[in-house]
Amino acid sequence: RKEVEQDPGPFNVPEGATVAFNCTYSNSASQSFFWYRQDCRKEPKLLMSVYSSGNEDGRFTAQLNRASQYISLLIRDSKLSDSATYLCVVNSGYSTLTFGKGTMLLVSP
Amino acid sequence: ETGVTQTPRHLVMGMTNKKSLKCEQHLGHNAMYWYKQSAKKPLELMFVYNFKEQTENNSVPSRFSPECPNSSHLFLHLHTLQPEDSALYLCASSHAGQGLYEQYFGPGTRLTVT
Repeated sequence: RKEVEQDPGPFNVPEGATVAFNCTYSNSASQSFFWYRQDCRKEPKLLMSVYSSGNEDGRFTAQLNRASQYISLLIRDSKLSDSATYLCVVNSGYSTLTFGKGTMLLVSP
Repeated sequence: ETGVTQTPRHLVMGMTNKKSLKCEQHLGHNAMYWYKQSAKKPLELMFVYNFKEQTENNSVPSRFSPECPNSSHLFLHLHTLQPEDSALYLCASSHAGQGLYEQYFGPGTRLTVT
């Protein structure tokens, strides 16, 4: 089983749609979880950390399910500017992170 | 954003050349990282430095040689590279230790080995 697994997509959605991504991780000892966003040919940028209780930042909601070892990201009211690759990231040791391959989102007018 | 800077942004080098990539962070962090990102692959961690000490070397070939003179600067020295080493090389920094420490990335150096 891959350490961090994501559906590569692409997810094609119209503006205004709600879209959800899931990610599974294999290391049950992982303590920290993040979603990063990466635009084409750019560096990854932190979108949000994922807390056990779930957290929301504007149109973005992240959830963590430790029992099933998966993390989700929900994007409401999609904008054209949300088009990017979303990377699921899990800590795998002291100061080290393991990245998924990413899920590509394409938002169309 | 200028939190983490990298130079050069683009580099083309032959297999017999020697070059160095530079990274600098202005965020007051004490951990720095080198990652490699190839097409269609996830980010691969190469090296980790905590408080200037290398704490992880992820089975990286010796033709890649990191150097961390202080907590703000990180170098990746390159020599006798192979064409398959062509990739985006990303530097990142964070606070060190266990916990919810997010990593912040530089813009990367796009390396082409001819």
